[in-house]
Amino acid sequence: GQQLNQSPQSMFIQEGEDVSMNCTSSSIFNTWLWYKQDPGEGPVLLIALYKAGELTSNGRLTAQFGITRKDSFLNISASIPSDVGIYFCAGLRTGGGADGLTFGKGTHLIIQP
Amino acid sequence: ETGVTQSPTHLIKTRGQQVTLRCSSQSGHNTVSWYQQALGQGPQFIFQYYREEENGRGNFPPRFSGLQFPNYSSELNVNALELDDSALYLCASSLEGARGAFFGQGTRLTVV
Repeated sequence: GQQLNQSPQSMFIQEGEDVSMNCTSSSIFNTWLWYKQDPGEGPVLLIALYKAGELTSNGRLTAQFGITRKDSFLNISASIPSDVGIYFCAGLRTGGGADGLTFGKGTHLIIQP
Repeated sequence: ETGVTQSPTHLIKTRGQQVTLRCSSQSGHNTVSWYQQALGQGPQFIFQYYREEENGRGNFPPRFSGLQFPNYSSELNVNALELDDSALYLCASSLEGARGAFFGQGTRLTVV
């Protein structure tokens, strides 16, 4: 099935550094979502974006909905050990969600103390 | 804690068998969707249920079927299991028209 192009695939950073990851698609999406998944758990919703150009923050996390509606990025400032995990972008075409979320393959964030 | 609970958490089945996975949605959420997540991949949409009817489906064969009950809980049934069906199966609930979904912890299915 289709997946979004998410990069980088993995990141090895030092604690305290800022992190940036992005997601692109050949198709337009009306909603972009960012999730974090820890081992053995389901994805947890971090940020939801509903309008092209929208910039939204959740604590140290900031995400933007691209103007073309074909991309989104997520930034994490001043990373801490609990930020370790896999981050997924997801796009939704329709308001009702009947065509489901389309996910990227994930960015694996590893933090070295 | 999303309020979405799935059972069982782990399951081992033999190729050719049938399996039923269960999901209780977050209180007040009337829409349930199911996803399959293979190792190292993002979740793939299987189908969505709203008001006990399937109202959206991804690229999965008919041997993947589901039910939604009046209390909005849901089941995923997979017949004639294949080795490639081994994956984490995730249930997500949301309100009608909402554009964010909340996931359960998943059921890890292993087919041998």
